[in-house]
Amino acid sequence: GENVEQHPSTLSVQEGDSAVIKCTYSDSASNYFPWYKQELGKRPQLIIDIRSNVGEKKDQRIAVTLNKTAKHFSLHITETQPEDSAVYFCAALKGSQGNLIFGKGTKLSVKP
Amino acid sequence: GAGVSQSPSNKVTEKGKDVELRCDPISGHTALYWYRQSLGQGLEFLIYFQGNSAPDKSGLPSDRFSAERTGGSVSTLTIQRTQQEDSAVYLCASSLGGQGTSPLHFGNGTRLTVT
Repeated sequence: GENVEQHPSTLSVQEGDSAVIKCTYSDSASNYFPWYKQELGKRPQLIIDIRSNVGEKKDQRIAVTLNKTAKHFSLHITETQPEDSAVYFCAALKGSQGNLIFGKGTKLSVKP
Repeated sequence: GAGVSQSPSNKVTEKGKDVELRCDPISGHTALYWYRQSLGQGLEFLIYFQGNSAPDKSGLPSDRFSAERTGGSVSTLTIQRTQQEDSAVYLCASSLGGQGTSPLHFGNGTRLTVT
C-alpha cells in the first residue's frame, strides 16, 4: 500500500526566510498530491495541490514541486510570516482509489 | 452551507466501554473519510467511504473498530472495548468526488479519552 514519508518533523525559520518541506511516496500509481495546513486547535485545510501531469505549481508565496521519477514532492514557502506557523501535512492519493494517505506532518515555526 | 459536523466534540470513557462517534458530512459530498490524530502525530487513515461502500478499510487498527455509512450521508465510527491507546482526536472529512482529487473538508473532530 501507499506510504508517505515527510521531513523534517519540525522546522524553525526567521520571518522573511524560505521554508522547504519534503515528502516521498511509495506507490508509483499515485497521481495527486495535496498539502494541508493545520493551525493550532483548528482543522486541517487544503492550501495547494499538484497532479502528476505537472512538475510545479505556484500560488503567491507557496509552491509545490513534483518529481515522479524519484517519487518525491516538496512544499516551498517564500517570505515566511508568523501566520505561516502551523503543522503542514503532505498527502498522496493511494493508487486508483479515492483515499488520501498523509505524512506525519511538519511543525513550522516562523520567528518574528 | 454547514460544514462537516462531528459529535460529540469530547468523549471520556472508561477502558472496556464501547463508544460511537458520529460524522455529518457536507450535503452532496459522496466521499467520507475517517482519520485519527494522536497528540503531536500525523493523520492516520482509518477508513474511506464512497457512498455507502467502504472500498478501503485497511487503516482500521483492529477488529474492535468498525464504521458504517447510511443513506450516503451520516457515518458512525464504533470502537468496542476501548483501550487507553485508543485515546486520540478522531477526524472526519468529506469531499465531492470519488477519485480523491477534490479537497477534503474536515470536521472539528472528536477528542476521545479512555481512562
